Amino acid sequence: SQQGEEDPQALSIQEGENATMNCSYKTSINNLQWYRQNSGRGLVHLILIRSNEREKHSGRLRVTLDTSKKSSSLLITASRAADTASYFCATDAKDTGRRALTFGSGTRLQVQP
Amino acid sequence: DTGVSQDPRHKITKRGQNVTFRCDPISEHNRLYWYRQTLGQGPEFLTYFQNEAQLEKSRLLSDRFSAERPKGSFSTLEIQRTEQGDSAMYLCASSLYPGVEEKLFFGSGTQLSVL
Repeated sequence: SQQGEEDPQALSIQEGENATMNCSYKTSINNLQWYRQNSGRGLVHLILIRSNEREKHSGRLRVTLDTSKKSSSLLITASRAADTASYFCATDAKDTGRRALTFGSGTRLQVQP
Repeated sequence: DTGVSQDPRHKITKRGQNVTFRCDPISEHNRLYWYRQTLGQGPEFLTYFQNEAQLEKSRLLSDRFSAERPKGSFSTLEIQRTEQGDSAMYLCASSLYPGVEEKLFFGSGTQLSVL
């Protein structure tokens, strides 16, 4: 079953605008990761945020984590056409014995040039 | 530095046939994962290995599925008596555990179509 649920399912913006994607999850976590997937390809790791962190930046990416609400957001600033892809959050659940990441259903981002 | 490679990239088979996929992880990575992804969905966990030991299997992995990693290097995923519902992208990923960041490196996947 999917641990995370992304919102929105699809997002279409113009180049230069910011894109915000949200992820909600159900269990306590050790960390939360965001991955990107171009059509028909494998996933590429973007950024990891640990459960004791609230915000993290990497280039044009900003991730926030609210463990009290079991939610995270990914902000892509000054978007480019090349950012068009699907974005997934993935959680490393705590105290469940599960050691593999559990992925959400993804947000499909379309950046119009 | 080569990444995770999967073979074949595409596989078309008839219902009832057996298929086998191969994954070669990044050489120094001790963990190897198999995921399945259907159109418009996120990857669903199937199983993972640490070295040659299979440490966890999902309920999704029915008796028709078997995975091996005999020498702790490459892995194979076999599906016996394929069904149309097995049509999906099968993704392999690897990681180094323990590591500074527990991130997965994915291959490009094997797209399976069962006719």
